[in-house]
Amino acid sequence: AQKITQTQPGMFVQEKEAVTLDCTYDTSDPSYGLFWYKQPSSGEMIFLIYQGSYDQQNATEGRYSLNFQKARKSANLVISASQLGDSAMYFCAMREGRAGNMLTFGGGTRLMVKP
Amino acid sequence: GAGVSQTPSNKVTEKGKYVELRCDPISGHTALYWYRQSLGQGPEFLIYFQGTGAADDSGLPNDRFFAVRPEGSVSTLKIQRTERGDSAVYLCASSLTSDSVTQYFGPGTRLLVL
Repeated sequence: AQKITQTQPGMFVQEKEAVTLDCTYDTSDPSYGLFWYKQPSSGEMIFLIYQGSYDQQNATEGRYSLNFQKARKSANLVISASQLGDSAMYFCAMREGRAGNMLTFGGGTRLMVKP
Repeated sequence: GAGVSQTPSNKVTEKGKYVELRCDPISGHTALYWYRQSLGQGPEFLIYFQGTGAADDSGLPNDRFFAVRPEGSVSTLKIQRTERGDSAVYLCASSLTSDSVTQYFGPGTRLLVL
């Protein structure tokens, strides 16, 4: 079974609007962390936001917020006020407590911001 | 400050050849990770170093792949008898310690095996 599932291969959003990128995960480990990374065409993976499984509040970092619904095993990324520079691939990833320090990534979502 | 650097940025080789890919982590970072990203997919874990030792090499696909980090800083990923299926972007990441939440990635090495 896939540990990280991103069901949206591609998404369009109008500049200045908000967009939600979906991510569901599968783990039986009670301790885990969820991450979102941005990968522009240059190829470098840029860390955006992190949510720990025991965190009570949803993580926020500037225009990024993580909608963490533990019972549904979802960790959607919300980008507010989209900018043209947000156009990129976005990857959801998980680190499980028992699995050590490796990150398991989803297949990614390509976000395209329209002017 | 300098981020994670990887050399070369691009490598073209012929099937059967040996290649080395280098990763220079952020200064002071003790944990170092290698991932492989095939076209259209997310990165897949290969190996993780804590200091000089490989703490987890469970992601290495076979014994043609080997990585070292002799002085606990720079790491080299070595691929013997390359195959066309090895073509991918090889990403390196580092974190301050093995307990650190965030892994910082380099720009990757694009390997093409002809």
